[in-house]
Amino acid sequence: QVQLVQSGSELKKPGASVKVSCKASGYVFSDYALNWVRQAPGQGLEWMGWINTSTGKATYAQAFRGRFVFSLDTSVSTAYLQISSLQSGDTAFYYCARVVGSWYFNLWGRGSLVTVSS
Amino acid sequence: QSVLTQPLSASGTPGQRVTISCSGSSSNIGSNAVTWYQQLPGTAPKLLIYINNQRPSGVPGRFSGSKSGTSASLAISGLQSEDEADYYCAAWDESLNGYVFGTGTKVTVL
Repeated sequence: QVQLVQSGSELKKPGASVKVSCKASGYVFSDYALNWVRQAPGQGLEWMGWINTSTGKATYAQAFRGRFVFSLDTSVSTAYLQISSLQSGDTAFYYCARVVGSWYFNLWGRGSLVTVSS
Repeated sequence: QSVLTQPLSASGTPGQRVTISCSGSSSNIGSNAVTWYQQLPGTAPKLLIYINNQRPSGVPGRFSGSKSGTSASLAISGLQSEDEADYYCAAWDESLNGYVFGTGTKVTVL
């Protein structure tokens, strides 16, 4: 079954770090790049950037340069999003999504909720 | 702040036709394909329309997309209760060198 399975909810304190995972199955991992999308509670979708699953090269949207890092473990077909120095404004659902040719996302994970609270 | 502008909300009674607009610029919609995503309450977004007007398999024919210049539209013909959701347009933006989503439109079935 073609799917992206994301890790569960996380509750973190301000200043801590978190690592969210996105495991692909049912297709060749390196055939499609993966994107990360953020959605704060009650808000719209925000593109964070993407990672080339063949080369590991990551590209970040302007607002997500610095504390956000995309990485891969190709041996287990998994992409990761690490966020450091967490702030309350990072509280959101984080989705991974597979991108196809003309830039559209045809497969989404269910999302990982990260809550930042003291 | 998104560069693609959508109305905050749209509504209709069952069976009616509802249209959602998406306004952009020459650097995004004007030069790249538009995608539409549907997000049902409490779920992840789902691909609804790609490359301006193409429907993935499994998407009902009552959903259609169009693009003209720097604007795009999503139409729902024969609105059904299960269409109550948030809808987002999206496109690659050449100036930002990134992917941009619209502000989102909440569709309510009255």
